[in-house]
Amino acid sequence: GAGVSQSPRYKVAKRGQDVALRCDPISGHVSLFWYQQALGQGPEFLTYFQNEAQLDKSGLPSDRFFAERPEGSVSTLKIQRTQQEDSAVYLCASSYGTFQETQYFGPGTRLLVL
Amino acid sequence: AQSVTQLGSHVSVSEGALVLLRCNYSSSVPPYLFWYVQYPNQGLQLLLKYTTGATLVKGINGFEAEFKKSETSFHLTKPSAHMSDAAEYFCAVSPSSNTGKLIFGQGTTLQVKP
Repeated sequence: GAGVSQSPRYKVAKRGQDVALRCDPISGHVSLFWYQQALGQGPEFLTYFQNEAQLDKSGLPSDRFFAERPEGSVSTLKIQRTQQEDSAVYLCASSYGTFQETQYFGPGTRLLVL
Repeated sequence: AQSVTQLGSHVSVSEGALVLLRCNYSSSVPPYLFWYVQYPNQGLQLLLKYTTGATLVKGINGFEAEFKKSETSFHLTKPSAHMSDAAEYFCAVSPSSNTGKLIFGQGTTLQVKP
C-alpha cells in the first residue's frame, strides 16, 4: 500500500522567502510527526498532531515555524522568512494510533536556503 | 531529559563479519527503544523495537538487539554482514509517558567491505 509521501522532495529558497512543505500520511493514521534532520545528525522532533489537534509543538525552533493539519490527514509545515540555518531534511512520520506505535517515515524534503 | 548516545559515528566491517552498533540511553523511567535504518535518499525504516517483555528483540533482515536495563544499553547486532546492510543506523528512545515522539541518536554509518 501507499506509504507516507512528502512534497516537494527538494526545495531551494532564497533567504527571507517563505516555504511550505507537504506531508501525506498513510490513510487512517491518527498520529503525525514532523522532524528536522540536519546534515550528519539524527532527526530532531519538531511537532506532533493527533488527528487535527497539535498536541506538542515543543520542538519548533522559532515562531517562524508553523504546522497545521486542518482535516486530520494532510499536514503542512510552513517556514517563514527562511534563514540559512533552516537548511535541513524535513521528515514526516505517521502512526496508526497513539503512544509508541510504530512510526512510518516519508522520504523527506531537502530544504536548501541560500 | 532523555538522550541517546551512539558510540562510533562510522563502523566498518567485512562482508560476513559480525555487526555491532552501540547505543546507550538515559532515561529516568523505562523507555521504549527503537532502531531505524536509513538508506540514501530514503526515509527511515524500522528495524526493531523494544516495548515490554522479552529483552532480546529480533527484527528484520537478521538484526537483533538486547535491552539491558542495568547498562542502559540497546546494542544492535547481526551475525553476518551483507553488502546491502551498508546504510545509516539510528537508535531512538520514546519515553513511556509522552506522545510517542522519538529522540534519536546521531547515527552510525555502517560500511561493509567486500
